[in-house]
Amino acid sequence: QVQLVESGGGLVKPGGSLRLSCVASGFTFSDYYMSWIRQAPGEGLEWVSYISSSGSNAYYADSVKGRFTISRDNAKNSLYLQMNSLRAEDTAVYYCARHAHVAFDNWGQGTLVTVSS
Amino acid sequence: QSALTQPPSASGSPGQSVTISCTGSSSDVGGYNYVSWYQQHPGKAPKLMIYEVNKRPSGVPDRFSGSKSGNTASLTVSGLQAEDEADYYCSSYAGNTNYVFGTGTKITVL
Repeated sequence: QVQLVESGGGLVKPGGSLRLSCVASGFTFSDYYMSWIRQAPGEGLEWVSYISSSGSNAYYADSVKGRFTISRDNAKNSLYLQMNSLRAEDTAVYYCARHAHVAFDNWGQGTLVTVSS
Repeated sequence: QSALTQPPSASGSPGQSVTISCTGSSSDVGGYNYVSWYQQHPGKAPKLMIYEVNKRPSGVPDRFSGSKSGNTASLTVSGLQAEDEADYYCSSYAGNTNYVFGTGTKITVL
């Protein structure tokens, strides 16, 4: 079955950097667009970024544009999110999710990122 | 891109139906038939319940249905069951390679 497992979250100071990873299994990873979606504590969902199946195209929410970079390694069935210049408002659980039918049909369990001094 | 507007809460007794709305604009909900709905239990990842306005993924009970009129989409849960108590989020493609989520609605089964 489809599995998405995120890692890399943790506590980081404002202005710092963090790299999240998501390892996929149970499907042909290279066939699918992938997204990062976040959820601040007690809040709703916010789409962050998505990347095409080949990795040649990437798109970002305005709130993270210029600070976050999405990438993938299809040989390793892995998705990444490099987060730089982190702010307190970036504190959230970060989910990786698979695209299908212009929706997000499978989600990982999430990894918590806390930005605090 | 502003979040889509959902009522904060909705409720119903077991066996009843509940409908929640998701209001956007002509730039998102009204402009594309790419509305999806997600169920999220506390501490869990969201689960896709409806895609492309009214289609159900395999394994989702037919008690869940979706519709859209103009800039407002709706999710109806019929024959409410205790396990349906959860947060529900709508989402829409918003053009220019953007996606937007709704503010979320907590469904309580009385």
